[in-house]
Amino acid sequence: NAGVTQTPKFQVLKTGQSMTLQCAQDMNHEYMSWYRQDPGMGLRLIHYSVGAGITDQGEVPNGYNVSRSTTEDFPLRLLSAAPSQTSVYFCASRRQGVGSYNSPLHFGNGTRLTVT
Amino acid sequence: DQQVKQNSPSLSVQEGRISILNCDYTNSMFDYFLWYKKYPAEGPTFLISISSIKDKNEDGRFTVFLNKSAKHLSLHIVPSQPGDSAVYFCAVDSWGKLQFGAGTQVVVTP
Repeated sequence: NAGVTQTPKFQVLKTGQSMTLQCAQDMNHEYMSWYRQDPGMGLRLIHYSVGAGITDQGEVPNGYNVSRSTTEDFPLRLLSAAPSQTSVYFCASRRQGVGSYNSPLHFGNGTRLTVT
Repeated sequence: DQQVKQNSPSLSVQEGRISILNCDYTNSMFDYFLWYKKYPAEGPTFLISISSIKDKNEDGRFTVFLNKSAKHLSLHIVPSQPGDSAVYFCAVDSWGKLQFGAGTQVVVTP
């Protein structure tokens, strides 16, 4: 019963490097999202997707790209990492559509990213 | 601007006593509210929720109260147990997207 799986768990990048944070879910959830958690700021929404081929921006999208080619996967790309992107990143998914109103988000265990 | 505020960053409570966590929101159009619990090195997990048509929802030791006129909700944990030591996030469902507060760190002492 994997749920939401995030890789890697930890990553250190130098300023300007690029990388992709991976997220996969096996619950056939239509809705997937990325949050970042920073001290005193709670969890802030970066990007989200309501289904394959559909993505949209959240509260703090700058510096991040996403795509959703399959229902299962929702990778988050940092094209040119900056120290301000040092954070813990969480991927989350939930059911969407008829009969799923207000279904809770299921979170992965996070990726801790440090940009030096 | 933060639309969901948890003004107490931390709370210490004795085992067996009541823990009360508070959350304020700014938009009276929000109609669904949730609490999540987070342990270190894990993702948040859903704890309890409440719809705006109710003013109370109970699940075992956890009760959430909603005061719509004050735009305030609270989470009561009775009795508090050592395993309840965690960070608790309040969240509102904002047209399908969750907005979270900054969290309250709860420490339950023996």
